[in-house]
Amino acid sequence: GEDVEQSLFLSVREGDSSVINCTYTDSSSTYLYWYKQEPGAGLQLLTYIFSNMDMKQDQRLTVLLNKKDKHLSLRIADTQTGDSAIYFCGEIYNQGGKLIFGQGTELSVKP
Amino acid sequence: DAGVTQSPTHLIKTRGQQVTLRCSPKSGHDTVSWYQQALGQGPQFIFQYYEEEERQRGNFPDRFSGHQFPNYSSELNVNALLLGDSALYLCASSSIGFDYGYTFGSGTRLTVV
Repeated sequence: GEDVEQSLFLSVREGDSSVINCTYTDSSSTYLYWYKQEPGAGLQLLTYIFSNMDMKQDQRLTVLLNKKDKHLSLRIADTQTGDSAIYFCGEIYNQGGKLIFGQGTELSVKP
Repeated sequence: DAGVTQSPTHLIKTRGQQVTLRCSPKSGHDTVSWYQQALGQGPQFIFQYYEEEERQRGNFPDRFSGHQFPNYSSELNVNALLLGDSALYLCASSSIGFDYGYTFGSGTRLTVV
């Protein structure tokens, strides 16, 4: 089945690390994604990871993938107020096919 | 390099009417997907077009239809609008076979009254 789940809210202090978690059900996923959505805007691709990788680092962002547990996480180091947004986890269901999203995690960064 | 462009940005329609939303993909992309994002929810896949054909479809009724033109741009049509169709409609473009390249537009906010 196709299902992606995320916790709905996360609140952190500026300068701390944020960790946003996601679980998915489709073991045949090829790519997994993290998108950011600011109020009134579309989705901005932050990073992606191929399903045969365990980790990917891109500046302040670290993605960890545990295929056995079907668990994906996004760590944002040195979180800034500009990181406040909704973060969506997504998976491709069949290569080249539809992108399935979770409900989104609202990240609130307090100064 | 222009990204994905969608028009209009906002639209208000009356229940029962029909609406057409437009999308121009990012330069170099040949595949267009449409998503519906209700308030407080994640985007839901409507359908995907490639080579002017509907390639995949999500769980949406036949009132939702689309088209892709030879220049890769696309339209989403919704007939017999319901109040529940009020949402942000997002277009995403990609290049077939490159699953890491989904680029989203800013969306069209549709309000049905």
